[in-house]
Amino acid sequence: QQQVKQSPQSLIVQKGGISIINCAYENTAFDYFPWYQQFPGKGPALLIAIRPDVSEKKEGRFTISFNKSAKQFSLHIMDSQPGDSATYFCAASDAYTGFQKLVFGTGTRLLVSP
Amino acid sequence: ETGVTQSPTHLIKTRGQQVTLRCSSQSGHNTVSWYQQALGQGPQFIFQYYREEENGRGNFPPRFSGLQFPNYSSELNVNALELDDSALYLCASSPFPGQGAGESDTQYFGPGTRLTVL
Repeated sequence: QQQVKQSPQSLIVQKGGISIINCAYENTAFDYFPWYQQFPGKGPALLIAIRPDVSEKKEGRFTISFNKSAKQFSLHIMDSQPGDSATYFCAASDAYTGFQKLVFGTGTRLLVSP
Repeated sequence: ETGVTQSPTHLIKTRGQQVTLRCSSQSGHNTVSWYQQALGQGPQFIFQYYREEENGRGNFPPRFSGLQFPNYSSELNVNALELDDSALYLCASSPFPGQGAGESDTQYFGPGTRLTVL
């Protein structure tokens, strides 16, 4: 019930290409969907986040697409660069628990080849 | 603005020992959450502290406990360490819901403490 399923596990994209990472959830109480980027030896850093009342949010080269009926959301990285090579996590939380608990996907290791 | 800091960076303990990890929250944040990240996995929520009290807990046994201090810094204590406790322990701070305009759900993570249990 609390799971967030993420795919693919790993991804190789050429420089300038589009990286796409997908996540799916079951808990309809989730109301906040952030994406985090993590480099080796570092903590996760917030990239972009979305709420269910919008279907798309764009910040620079990063776009979240959200499909509430399908309970799916995805991260698109346009014009992917070698510096984007990192592990990406989708996450979700709901406001009804009374506290902020992020449920994370299992991560996608992205490698952008020069 | 100072970000989330954690100490120590690395720690090696033996099975059965106890460990204390420390976290300083980001300036202006009064809520601290702790997560456990096993190698190759996403972070798992341990618990959250607000106003020096635990206000939410994940599926972790009671040997995982914590504290929050008046300056909002926090400690994670783990007793009777097991081999499976080896992981990266992450601290995240956030403004409590309702106190931030559009920022209330954002959690900002520290660099983590790498715990190895032998």
